[in-house]
Amino acid sequence: AQSVTQLGSHVSVSEGALVLLRCNYSSSVPPYLFWYVQYPNQGLQLLLKYTSAATLVKGINGFEAEFKKSETSFHLTKPSAHMSDAAEYFCAVSDRTSGTYKYIFGTGTRLKVLA
Amino acid sequence: DVKVTQSSRYLVKRTGEKVFLECVQDMDHENMFWYRQDPGLGLRLIYFSYDVKMKEKGDIPEGYSVSREKKERFSLILESASTNQTSMYLCASREGDSGANVLTFGAGSRLTVL
Repeated sequence: AQSVTQLGSHVSVSEGALVLLRCNYSSSVPPYLFWYVQYPNQGLQLLLKYTSAATLVKGINGFEAEFKKSETSFHLTKPSAHMSDAAEYFCAVSDRTSGTYKYIFGTGTRLKVLA
Repeated sequence: DVKVTQSSRYLVKRTGEKVFLECVQDMDHENMFWYRQDPGLGLRLIYFSYDVKMKEKGDIPEGYSVSREKKERFSLILESASTNQTSMYLCASREGDSGANVLTFGAGSRLTVL
C-alpha cells in the first residue's frame, strides 16, 4: 500500500520568507499527488496536483510543488509567505489497491507565519 | 463549482446516542467519501461509496455505518456514539474513478461525544 510522510508537524516562517513543506511518498508506480490546504474551521481545498504532465506544478495563491521521482518527494514551496498562508497543509497520494481509487493523506503540517 | 454541504457543523451528543451526519453534493458525482480528522493523524478514510447503494469500508470502519439511497446524499451513522468518536468528520465527493480527479470537501462536522 502507498503511504505519505510529511516531515514536520509544525513549521514557522517569517512573513516574506520562503515556505518549504516537505512530502515524501512511497509508490511503485507513477503516482497522482496532491496538496490540500485547510484554513481554520473549514474543509480542505485543493492547492495543486501532479498527474505526470510536468514535474513542476503551479497552484493557487503562489504555491508550487516539484515532483522528484529519484527522491520520491513532492515538496510544496512559496517564495514569500503571507500572513494569510497560515493554515494546515496536507499532502496526499491516490491509491488503487482494491478497485476504486482512494486517497492516502499525510498527517499534515501546520504553517505559522510570524509578523 | 461543486458544492459539498454538511448540514451539521457542530454537534454535541451523549455516549450511546445514535448520530447521523448528513452530506449532500450538487454536481452528480459518483464517488463520495467520509473521513475522520484527528490531530497528528491526518485524515483517515471511514467509508466510501462509488454508486447509489454501493459502499466499501475504508481504513477505520468500526463503529460506523453509511447509507447512500440517493446519488447526491451520503450519510454517516454512529449506531452508539462513544467518547473516542469525538472528532472532526469530513465528507468529500469526486467525479468518476480516475486517480487524477480531485476530491471536493465539505466544511466538516465537529462532533463531541460526552
